[in-house]
Amino acid sequence: DAGITQSPRHKVTETGTPVTLRCHQTENHRYMYWYRQDPGHGLRLIHYSYGVKDTDKGEVSDGYSVSRSKTEDFLLTLESATSSQTSVYFCAISETDRGPGYTFGSGTRLTVV
Amino acid sequence: AQSVTQLDSQVPVFEEAPVELRCNYSSSVSVYLFWYVQYPNQGLQLLLKYLSGSTLVKGINGFEAEFNKSQTSFHLRKPSVHISDTAEYFCAVVIFGNEKLTFGTGTRLTIIP
Repeated sequence: DAGITQSPRHKVTETGTPVTLRCHQTENHRYMYWYRQDPGHGLRLIHYSYGVKDTDKGEVSDGYSVSRSKTEDFLLTLESATSSQTSVYFCAISETDRGPGYTFGSGTRLTVV
Repeated sequence: AQSVTQLDSQVPVFEEAPVELRCNYSSSVSVYLFWYVQYPNQGLQLLLKYLSGSTLVKGINGFEAEFNKSQTSFHLRKPSVHISDTAEYFCAVVIFGNEKLTFGTGTRLTIIP
């Protein structure tokens, strides 16, 4: 959707295993974000990036790490997955040259069993 | 820090009736405001946004919203809803100079035939 893709779209993993989700953009936007969506909570920010190798924590960052070695890729890693991390994860990109505008990926549904 | 409140978690409306989905925000500085829609099993789609200028903002699918600074509100309205409007609606806010988008918990709109 508008040059942003997430992979995988669905994943089932076991408790305690590491998991990496990928967000790829073709828009050359500076800002990238990872959100998780849970019923009753809306979308909550996990981590975001404001440039290559520049990242910062959001409101629910515990248990997650991120990396951005290239402008186009923003990786979210669950070092040791837990059942509480079962969620739908959305990546977003932002271009701010003409005022903020956010585009979201299609989401990754992660189930930790 | 900014926050967003969507007081109504669910709103049932008869087809062709008007609807208003409420959104209030909390911020001590100026903000940008957004409404997103999420259809079942899909990602987020931008309905409309307020950046500056006219306080009445028109979006896609016949929706509009009004920014009220004194009441810190950004309510979403549609004069006549259709079955196809069944979805979850999220209000979101960004404060000036901060690129992080903060979401409300969402309102599920159900259209009754």
